[in-house]
Parts: sequence; C-alpha cells; structure tokens
Amino acid sequence: DTEVTQTPKHLVMGMTNKKSLKCEQHMGHRAMYWYKQKAKKPPELMFVYSYEKLSINESVPSRFSPECPNSSLLNLHLHALQPEDSALYLCASSLGTGSYEQYFGPGTRLTVT
Amino acid sequence: GEDVEQSLFLSVREGDSSVINCTYTDSSSTYLYWYKQEPGAGLQLLTYIFSNMDMKQDQRLTVLLNKKDKHLSLRIADTQTGDSAIYFCAEIHSNQGGKLIFGQGTELSVKP
Repeated sequence: DTEVTQTPKHLVMGMTNKKSLKCEQHMGHRAMYWYKQKAKKPPELMFVYSYEKLSINESVPSRFSPECPNSSLLNLHLHALQPEDSALYLCASSLGTGSYEQYFGPGTRLTVT
Repeated sequence: GEDVEQSLFLSVREGDSSVINCTYTDSSSTYLYWYKQEPGAGLQLLTYIFSNMDMKQDQRLTVLLNKKDKHLSLRIADTQTGDSAIYFCAEIHSNQGGKLIFGQGTELSVKP
C-alpha cells in the first residue's frame, strides 16, 4: 500500500478565514512533506517533517502553519491567506529524509477569494 | 547548482515510442526519479534509478542514465492515450534532508 490521503479535495476560503488541510499515511513512513503547486509548474517544497519534528521550512510565510501530531498525520493550518496562495497543495511521505522515494497524495485544490 | 531541465512539450501518435529527456547539473545526486501527473491529480511515482546504474526497465518504461553527460531519459514503449500527462524528472541529494529538485515538466500529448 503506497497511499497518501488528503482532505478536503477542494477548499474555497476567504482572506479572513482559518482552515486546515489534512494528510494521512499508514505506510510507517517517518518523513512527511508539504508542497505547493501552481498550474503546469513543478511542486515547490514548503515544509519537511522528520520523526514528527520540523526539519525544513523553505521560508514559507507565517500564514501557513504546519503541524505533525503523530507519525501518520500532517496538518497545514491556513490563516489570512492571499489570492496568490490559491494552488494545489500536495502532501508526500517517505521512509526517511535520505534518498528515499516520496509518495504523493492527490492534493487539495485551494481557492482564496 | 540545482537546475533540472526538461523540454516542455512532446506530441506522439498512439502506438509510437515516447522519449522524454532531462538534464541535471549536480553530480552528487544519488537517486533520480520520474513522476507522472494527470490533470487535477497528484504526482504518481513511475520509476527511479540509482546514480550508479545505466539503465532500468520496468514493463513499458525504460530509464537511461548517462552520468558523464548528466542526462536522464524515460522511454515509454507503445504509447497509449492514457499516457497523456505531465512527466517530471527529479533528483534528490541525500545530504539535503530529502529535498527533491524537480524539472519543469514535459507535457506529453498522445494523438489517436
């Protein structure tokens, strides 16, 4: 089983709203990732968690707040977003943060109005 | 450097072979990956190759790696309309905490 699940599939939010994206995997992976992807562009890394600790933050604005409550779950809390934050948000996981293949979820399509 | 480059578009006829090319610049890359993304979907890991290999075959997919020229290719035999998608190559550096460096993606269009 190489499945990473993400909820919701679609999200529309206003600039004053607070919402959360969720990601789950049950492959025993200890590294989890958030990526942002604009249409027809490659994914851009946002955050990396390794063994439930934040190991990489790619200078992401503080209106995006990641959380890893346990080794199977990854959340991305959203607050006061801008229209340019509209994108596909992808979660991925891997065995570790070395040279291990990353498995991606289907993504959450976010629209900020 | 961290550049991974791909051509943006490729169009083939159904039944033909497709070859998608990729060049990378960092010789310390350990693994190189090919991902497929269909419209509105996430990235699907197709295959990967370790940097000390020259070739890897997996059913209709053949990956060739020329480490001297830092050139990677993905050949899809007997291309079908269901293969229409964007294909991303990516490299990973084990000393950078698992950060994947993606190419810009090649949009493959398969015409019946």
